[in-house]
Amino acid sequence: DTGVSQNPRHKITKRGQNVTFRCDPISEHNRLYWYRQTLGQGPEFLTYFQNEAQLEKSRLLSDRFSAERPKGSFSTLEIQRTEQGDSAMYLCASSRVGTNYGYTFGSGTRLTVV
Amino acid sequence: GQQVMQIPQYQHVQEGEDFTTYCNSSTTLSNIQWYKQRPGGHPVFLIQLVKSGEVKKQKRLTFQFGEAKKNSSLHITATQTTDVGTYFCARMDSSYKLIFGSGTRLLVRP
Repeated sequence: DTGVSQNPRHKITKRGQNVTFRCDPISEHNRLYWYRQTLGQGPEFLTYFQNEAQLEKSRLLSDRFSAERPKGSFSTLEIQRTEQGDSAMYLCASSRVGTNYGYTFGSGTRLTVV
Repeated sequence: GQQVMQIPQYQHVQEGEDFTTYCNSSTTLSNIQWYKQRPGGHPVFLIQLVKSGEVKKQKRLTFQFGEAKKNSSLHITATQTTDVGTYFCARMDSSYKLIFGSGTRLLVRP
């Protein structure tokens, strides 16, 4: 597998329910990022990991959001008590450490909260 | 963090016409990256610029980084329908994460 894989591709959930998304990065990449994108906007940073350590969380990430990357491999993003405002595309990306590398994005998980 | 501003927001061109999108920052950038997102797709890395005044070409695409490292541009010569999508610039901050601009959406009339 040479790409970043995200599951599921689409998720429809009722307001108040919990959802969890998974991201499998490129295996050689140390860094894993989560972004959120709404229609007509650029990706907004949520959080990132270097190996298994979560190094930074955006202020956009309320306490309903939690992300993990056990063993520095795949990552999960959980949203508890979803709200309609959480509806967006959640993008995962991975890269090598350093400033000279671009990100490889996954196809994203589109969340719709009804 | 400081955003990068992109203009225009939209551009609708006739196939064969040229296209340019601009990315501006109020502060000096360490580097700038460009991504393309096709409709319904995800961002795909195009290029990174690091040096002041740097110019890089990829076929019909020309990328420039300003002398003051506060602006960048992407120019497409003789657009094709395959160029349709949204082009994002992104700056790398001090913790090596990318901050994206709002993008320029390119539509090409066949």
